[in-house]
Amino acid sequence: DSGVTQTPKHLITATGQRVTLRCSPRSGDLSVYWYQQSLDQGLQFLIQYYNGEERAKGNILERFSAQQFPDLHSELNLSSLELGDSALYFCASSVRPKGDTQYFGPGTRLTVL
Amino acid sequence: DAKTTQPPSMDCAEGRAANLPCNHSTISGNEYVYWYRQIHSQGPQYIIHGLKNNETNEMASLIITEDRKSSTLILPHATLRDTAVYYCIVRVTGTTDYGGSQGNLIFGKGTKLSVKP
Repeated sequence: DSGVTQTPKHLITATGQRVTLRCSPRSGDLSVYWYQQSLDQGLQFLIQYYNGEERAKGNILERFSAQQFPDLHSELNLSSLELGDSALYFCASSVRPKGDTQYFGPGTRLTVL
Repeated sequence: DAKTTQPPSMDCAEGRAANLPCNHSTISGNEYVYWYRQIHSQGPQYIIHGLKNNETNEMASLIITEDRKSSTLILPHATLRDTAVYYCIVRVTGTTDYGGSQGNLIFGKGTKLSVKP
């Protein structure tokens, strides 16, 4: 158990819908990262927050957004969902914004029908 | 972050040592070697990391060559539960905020290790 929690474990929805994925970092970690893993793309970095502020962006679509709240939990919002958004979404956390070991949560499996 | 090269797959007999190689010939002096593994769709699990000295923890040992251009992750007594994809990643570690260097991990395709009975 890494100490990072993610909810829900599974999510099934239809195209065009909007969903919210939630992540709680390890106690004491200020930085949260979101990654997407689809069959054909492997693990891809989406976005990073540090202490409530956006820190870095990766291959995140404009339809996707995220935020980190004062209690340090983070939410990833995915809207206008398409079939290709079906993937595993992982959250990771670390103490500092760079250089620290990242610990991953168990992931949310999103299926878009 | 520098790129790494790993064999796509390896087999290992249960109870034997699993030696997973990684080439990182363009590694910079301030970059560490990290290893993660992912067991069938679970979240990636941190294993070990090192700079230039060999490292050992309860999970594995990491051997880094003197020129730092390659490394080997050693699972001393592989079990069926070690069957996973193993990722070797090089990245900057430390408190210095290097300009242009992001904090995220860059995953390659890794090595699929199959431990067989």
